[in-house]
Amino acid sequence: DSGVTQTPKHLITATGQRVTLRCSPRSGDLSVYWYQQSLDQGLQFLIQYYNGEERAKGNILERFSAQQFPDLHSELNLSSLELGDSALYFCASSAQGNDYGYTFGSGTRLTVV
Amino acid sequence: EDQVTQSPEALRLQEGESSSLNCSYTVSGLRGLFWYRQDPGKGPEFLFTLYSAGEEKEKERLKATLTKKESFLHITAPKPEDSATYLCAVRYGGATNKLIFGTGTLLAVQP
Repeated sequence: DSGVTQTPKHLITATGQRVTLRCSPRSGDLSVYWYQQSLDQGLQFLIQYYNGEERAKGNILERFSAQQFPDLHSELNLSSLELGDSALYFCASSAQGNDYGYTFGSGTRLTVV
Repeated sequence: EDQVTQSPEALRLQEGESSSLNCSYTVSGLRGLFWYRQDPGKGPEFLFTLYSAGEEKEKERLKATLTKKESFLHITAPKPEDSATYLCAVRYGGATNKLIFGTGTLLAVQP
């Protein structure tokens, strides 16, 4: 157990629907990162939050949004889902300046049918 | 454009057959190069961090080295349990702790 908890582990939904992925960071970590991993593209950075505030944005679609709550858990909202959104979504957390980069959760596998 | 490139994409080794994986990067202001191991369907697991050219780190059968433009992950006498995807990532510049990942090398070690 890495200490980063992601729920749900698997999600199957239809095109056009909206889903919410949840992440609880490792205790004490203020930063949360969301990554998308698909077979052909590897790990793509989506967005980072630090202590409730957006810190950096990557290749995140306008249909996607995220937030980090006062208790530091984070949610990634995916709407108007398309078949191409099927992927593994990873959350990671870090303490600022640490030597380990990130600690990753076990991911949420999203399948859009 | 800042990039991280890993090669080969896939590598098949016999048990005991040593080899190296490559990670080359074109970023300025490197603030750390990271190696992770990822098993199928799981999140990446941290292996090493390297900060400056000439630095080396070892863990069991793995040794990571860093030059100004690339890093190598040397695998000595691998075992089947070393089979996984090995990811390289760089942290560079700015206030964010963002990591940019390469696409990984899929290693298969056959008994």
